[in-house]
Amino acid sequence: GQQVMQIPQYQHVQEGEDFTTYCNSSTTLSNIQWYKQRPGGHPVFLIQLVKSGEVKKQKRLTFQFGEAKKNSSLHITATQTTDVGTYFCAVYNFNKFYFGSGTKLNVKP
Amino acid sequence: SAVISQKPSRDICQRGTSLTIQCQVDSQVTMMFWYRQQPGQSLTLIATANQGSEATYESGFVIDKFPISRPNLTFSTLTVSNMSPEDSSIYLCSVVRDGYTFGSGTRLTVV
Repeated sequence: GQQVMQIPQYQHVQEGEDFTTYCNSSTTLSNIQWYKQRPGGHPVFLIQLVKSGEVKKQKRLTFQFGEAKKNSSLHITATQTTDVGTYFCAVYNFNKFYFGSGTKLNVKP
Repeated sequence: SAVISQKPSRDICQRGTSLTIQCQVDSQVTMMFWYRQQPGQSLTLIATANQGSEATYESGFVIDKFPISRPNLTFSTLTVSNMSPEDSSIYLCSVVRDGYTFGSGTRLTVV
């Protein structure tokens, strides 16, 4: 299946600090999606990026798709304890999505 | 987005037995997907379930171990057969609707 590298694996931040997770692919992607999974929960769709260089914002979350459509990032400004969870990117290939390894975010109050 | 009812939500099973997981979607969908999430890991696609044809399995997953049924466009089952402790995972069904929408998952523990 499609290979996508996601870093970092873990991130511990103090509440109010920023957080970024990255996904990188060796091949050009048609699109990329981001999901959040709270502890004990199931993944929840956040956003899909399709266009080269696309930037989308959802409140404190900023999503970017690289110009070459080989990488993407999710940035959270001023983290809150409600941001705790694992963030996954997912790439689309052959009519199905393949998930990155995830970045587990812990926010200390 | 779609609403998916998945059950059971959790189960503890003896090794060598089988468990069937059910997913019901609130509207018709062409494809349903089954994923496995081992403890602390990412999601791995097991198979794609199409109505009216056999499921398509990913590398490393076989029909004898994970038989799938898809009797209509709103329902699918995944069976985990002849279970061993290594099958202890969360199993999730999903459909494509505004991104992927997931069922709430089945947390399986094999003892």
